[in-house]
Amino acid sequence: DAGITQSPRHKVTETGTPVTLRCHQTENHRYMYWYRQDPGHGLRLIHYSYGVKDTDKGEVSDGYSVSRSKTEDFLLTLESATSSQTSVYFCAISSGGSTEAFFGQGTRLTVV
Amino acid sequence: GEDVEQSLFLSVREGDSSVINCTYTDSSSTYLYWYKQEPGAGLQLLTYIFSNMDMKQDQRLTVLLNKKDKHLSLRIADTQTGDSAIYFCAESIRNAGNMLTFGGGTRLMVKP
Repeated sequence: DAGITQSPRHKVTETGTPVTLRCHQTENHRYMYWYRQDPGHGLRLIHYSYGVKDTDKGEVSDGYSVSRSKTEDFLLTLESATSSQTSVYFCAISSGGSTEAFFGQGTRLTVV
Repeated sequence: GEDVEQSLFLSVREGDSSVINCTYTDSSSTYLYWYKQEPGAGLQLLTYIFSNMDMKQDQRLTVLLNKKDKHLSLRIADTQTGDSAIYFCAESIRNAGNMLTFGGGTRLMVKP
């Protein structure tokens, strides 16, 4: 497996609380991505990063923010969690020149 | 914009061939991918095809690309029970490394 770790793997939180998910890589890949997976929708891109401190929005970015202060870590923050953000979140990494994106094992987030 | 469509479900008998279909809308796609997701796991890249190819074979897997119709298919020969999983097609446009747009996934069930 590519060196990509997501934490936590599972989390239950209450509506209105802040939540931060972490993606850590040991591959020194330039690009990092956060996707959410919901039934019938496949995976949808939330935010991505193309370098340290360089990030941009994806298809479903509302309610989420990200930060990348060093190459190996990409954080996804829900400032005030809502029930619609209950989902499985996947981090992915890519070198950019490669044809493959490597995925983490996912974080199952439940907002109650 | 991009839109990737897949049928939701496919059931086959062990030893038969499986064909999973996908349509996409963005003609500027550079690579098209097939990912496999087993229960509780992340996504595993099965195979990919560059947009200027029309076929790629990799052991039991055959990918066919009809660029005119924007149709992609994955054929799994001699399907085994271990092939039971969700299969996602995805397209990549040459920006932001390997940013992917996914279909909703096809659940393949292989009956003994």
